[in-house]
Amino acid sequence: DSGVTQTPKHLITATGQRVTLRCSPRSGDLSVYWYQQSLDQGLQFLIQYYNGEERAKGNILERFSAQQFPDLHSELNLSSLELGDSALYFCASSPGRGNTEAFFGQGTRLTVV
Amino acid sequence: AQKITQTQPGMFVQEKEAVTLDCTYDTSDPSYGLFWYKQPSSGEMIFLIYQGSYDQQNATEGRYSLNFQKARKSANLVISASQLGDSAMYFCAMREGPSTDKLIFGTGTRLQVFP
Repeated sequence: DSGVTQTPKHLITATGQRVTLRCSPRSGDLSVYWYQQSLDQGLQFLIQYYNGEERAKGNILERFSAQQFPDLHSELNLSSLELGDSALYFCASSPGRGNTEAFFGQGTRLTVV
Repeated sequence: AQKITQTQPGMFVQEKEAVTLDCTYDTSDPSYGLFWYKQPSSGEMIFLIYQGSYDQQNATEGRYSLNFQKARKSANLVISASQLGDSAMYFCAMREGPSTDKLIFGTGTRLQVFP
């Protein structure tokens, strides 16, 4: 058990819909990262938050947004979903800067039908 | 731009043998970190081992060791005494600089351990 909790584990939804993925980081970790893993794109960094503030942005679509709350949990919002958004979405957490470790949650498998 | 390359899409190894999974990287940043993760068929990403660019010695964690050759920009994972449970995808990743800590991943190597 990595200590990073993601909910839900599986999500099936229709095109055009909006979903929210939730992540609770390991106790004490200030950084939260979101990654997308798809068959054609591999593991892609989406966005990072550090202590409530956006720290880095990667290949995140405008239809996607995220935030980190004062209790450090994070949510990834995906809207106007398309078939191509079907993927495994991971949250990871780490203590802060210059990390020597980064632990991943079990992922949320999103299927858009 | 930073890049991670894993050239072995698949590897086979017999149980109890050692296996090396290749990883090369490219960065102009003098400070970086290298990670290896295991992803079994169940899908979770399991952190295995970390090597910092300034670390003088190769990292080891149980049966996992990282063969770090800085001049060649390689960070190969060595798994000793392979077990059937080691069958999984293995990803090499690099931390980009000290300011973001985001990880860039390679495409992975699928390892299959046979009896």
